[in-house]
Amino acid sequence: AQKVTQAQTEISVVEKEDVTLDCVYETRDTTYYLFWYKQPPSGELVFLIRRNSFDEQNEISGRYSWNFQKSTSSFNFTITASQVVDSAVYFCALWTGGSYIPTFGRGTSLIVHP
Amino acid sequence: NAGVMQNPRHLVRRRGQEARLRCSPMKGHSHVYWYRQLPEEGLKFMVYLQKENIIDESGMPKERFSAEFPKEGPSILRIQQVVRGDSAAYFCASSYTGSADTQYFGPGTRLTVL
Repeated sequence: AQKVTQAQTEISVVEKEDVTLDCVYETRDTTYYLFWYKQPPSGELVFLIRRNSFDEQNEISGRYSWNFQKSTSSFNFTITASQVVDSAVYFCALWTGGSYIPTFGRGTSLIVHP
Repeated sequence: NAGVMQNPRHLVRRRGQEARLRCSPMKGHSHVYWYRQLPEEGLKFMVYLQKENIIDESGMPKERFSAEFPKEGPSILRIQQVVRGDSAAYFCASSYTGSADTQYFGPGTRLTVL
C-alpha cells in the first residue's frame, strides 16, 4: 500500500521568508512517481512538478525548488523569498506502477502575510 | 490549447434532485479521473474512466453515483437524489496515458445541496 504524509497542516510566514513544505511517502515499489500540485484560493489545482523514482536530481524552477531523497522517502518543496501569491494549499501525490490512481497527501495550507 | 473544462462551475440542488457534472478533457487525452474534495480535506479519488470504459470505480459510492465517458462528448458524473452530504467540490482530471502520467485538473464544480 502507498501512503503520503504531509505533516504540516498549516504554515504561516511573512513575505520574503523561505519556506519548506514536507512530503514523506511510503511504497514498496521501486518504480514510482511523485507530484506536487498547488491549489490557490480560487480553487483550481495547478500541476507543479512530476518526478520519477530513478531521478534523484534536485529541481529548481524560479523561486521553487524540490529536494528528492530516497534515503528518507521525502520529496520536499521549498519556496524562496515567498510572496503573497504563493498563499495556497499544496498537495503532494505518489503514483506507483501497480496502481491506476495516485495517492494524495492531505495538503499543507501556506499563508504568506504581506 | 484549452485545458480541462468543467461545467457548471457552481451547481445548487435541493435534496432529492439530480446533479450532472460535466468534464471535457484536454485535447488528445483519453483518460479521465473524478475526485471529490470536502471542505478542509484533501482529494478523494472516485472513478477512473477511459473512452467508453470504467477502469476503476472503487472510490465511488455504490448507490446514487454513476459516471460515464462516451465515445463522443464529455465525461459525466451523475449524482441522483442528492443529499446534503454530497455538497463538495468535484474535480475532474485528464491525462494522455493512464499509467503515472501527469494529471491535469479542471477548475472544479462546487455542488451545494440545500
